[in-house]
Amino acid sequence: QSVLTQPPSVSGTPGQRVTISCTGNSSNIGADYDVHWYQQLPGTAPKLLIFGNTNRPPGVPARFSASKSGTSASLAITGLQAEDEADYYCQSYDSSLSGSRVFGAGTKVTVL
Amino acid sequence: EVQLLESGGGLVQSGGSLRLSCAASGFTLGIYAMSWVRQAPGKGLEWVSDISTSGSSTYYADSVKGRFTISRDNSKNTLYLLMNSLRAEDTAVYYCAKDARAYCSSIRCYKGSDYWGQGTLVTVSS
Repeated sequence: QSVLTQPPSVSGTPGQRVTISCTGNSSNIGADYDVHWYQQLPGTAPKLLIFGNTNRPPGVPARFSASKSGTSASLAITGLQAEDEADYYCQSYDSSLSGSRVFGAGTKVTVL
Repeated sequence: EVQLLESGGGLVQSGGSLRLSCAASGFTLGIYAMSWVRQAPGKGLEWVSDISTSGSSTYYADSVKGRFTISRDNSKNTLYLLMNSLRAEDTAVYYCAKDARAYCSSIRCYKGSDYWGQGTLVTVSS
C-alpha cells in the first residue's frame, strides 16, 4: 500500500475534463517535496508527463496540467481524448522511508 | 537520441540471483543519477533503487534492501542491478530510468525521470 493515495480509476467522455488526485501526508507532499506525474500507455514504459509539480516537458500537450497544495496534488486532463486512455502515476519523496522515491498506486483513465 | 536498453532478465528459482544491465546511449551517463523501477504483472510502479552520478550514494526500497545492489560503470555507460536471494514477489518488469536533471545530488533537485528503458522481465519461480 502506497503512502501516496490515488483513485483506482476515473472516466470521462471525449472533450471532458477529468482530474486525478494524489494525497500524501506531512512526510512527503506536505513536506514540500516535488510531485511528478507519469503516463503509462498499455504495454509501454512510463512517460514523464509533469515534473516539479506543475511543469510539462517538451512535447506534452497543454491539455495536461497539474497543481499541488498542502499534502495533495492533482493532475487534470482538459479536453479528454481517446489516446489519453492510460494509467497515471504520481511520484514524490517520503522522508519517513529511507531514500524513498515513492509512487502512487496509479489511476486508470478510461475514455468512454 | 537518448536510449536505455535493459538486459539480463529471465527465469530464476527462488533464492537465486540475477544481474540486470542497462546500457545507456545518446547522453553522458556520468552526470545523471539513475534509478531502477519495477512493475509486477498487472500492478503499479514500485521504485526499487537509485544511485548518484558517481555511484558513491545508493538508496533502496525496504523491500529489496540487503538483497539488491545498484552500481554503475560510467566508463562503460552502463547501470547495473545485482539481485540476490530472489523471491516470488520480486517477479516484475524492471525498468531503468534516467533523472531529468543533470548534476542533481539531492532529492530536492530531482525533477522526475525523463527517459525509461523498455524493461526486462524477471520471473522468480517458487
